[in-house]
Amino acid sequence: NAGVTQTPKFRVLKTGQSMTLLCAQDMNHEYMYWYRQDPGMGLRLIHYSVGEGTTAKGEVPDGYNVSRLKKQNFLLGLESAAPSQTSVYFCASSYLASGGSYEQYFGPGTRLTVT
Amino acid sequence: AQSVAQPEDQVNVAEGNPLTVKCTYSVSGNPYLFWYVQYPNRGLQFLLKYITGDNLVKGSYGFEAEFNKSQTSFHLKKPSALVSDSALYFCAVTPEGLTGGGNKLTFGTGTQLKVEL
Repeated sequence: NAGVTQTPKFRVLKTGQSMTLLCAQDMNHEYMYWYRQDPGMGLRLIHYSVGEGTTAKGEVPDGYNVSRLKKQNFLLGLESAAPSQTSVYFCASSYLASGGSYEQYFGPGTRLTVT
Repeated sequence: AQSVAQPEDQVNVAEGNPLTVKCTYSVSGNPYLFWYVQYPNRGLQFLLKYITGDNLVKGSYGFEAEFNKSQTSFHLKKPSALVSDSALYFCAVTPEGLTGGGNKLTFGTGTQLKVEL
């Protein structure tokens, strides 16, 4: 199993450009998540999905859109990139573990710089 | 709303000594608590979790954590630190039970652990 993979690993954008980050998981997990990680702020949830065709907003959704057309893929889009979106982006997926908890499995991250 | 506090940005410890990384939380109802570790330029890896039962939880790589409900704490511990334990550690919380909206974890800001020879 590859687990959770993210494409691309690095990207530099100019302000106003758009891009899509791809997350793929091969563990048949129902739930998927997009986080951003900024120094001193931990991980903050951008959007998440509880199943194919469904998405919901997290803590910091502004400036981002997502889609979950297939169960194994979760796409994060930036329509008009801003310097404030410079960050490391992590995708995660989860399933129902024993005891009713959802352990999350993380991808390796995408480092995005907006100039 | 739930929250997690990791009061120390960095913890330094000598190899072979015990280590503690502190975490306190706030959540409505009973908590589900998690510890994750992040090595440089990598994603987060799950270490251990508390759901219910024994307050001392054992996890990967010799780590354990103690749940203290009265102090709303979930400190990460290891009896003997290794240089290879040096990494960024995150505590996370979510309220007990299925909300229908997945398991939205709230993370702390992270604690950098540095283990020196």
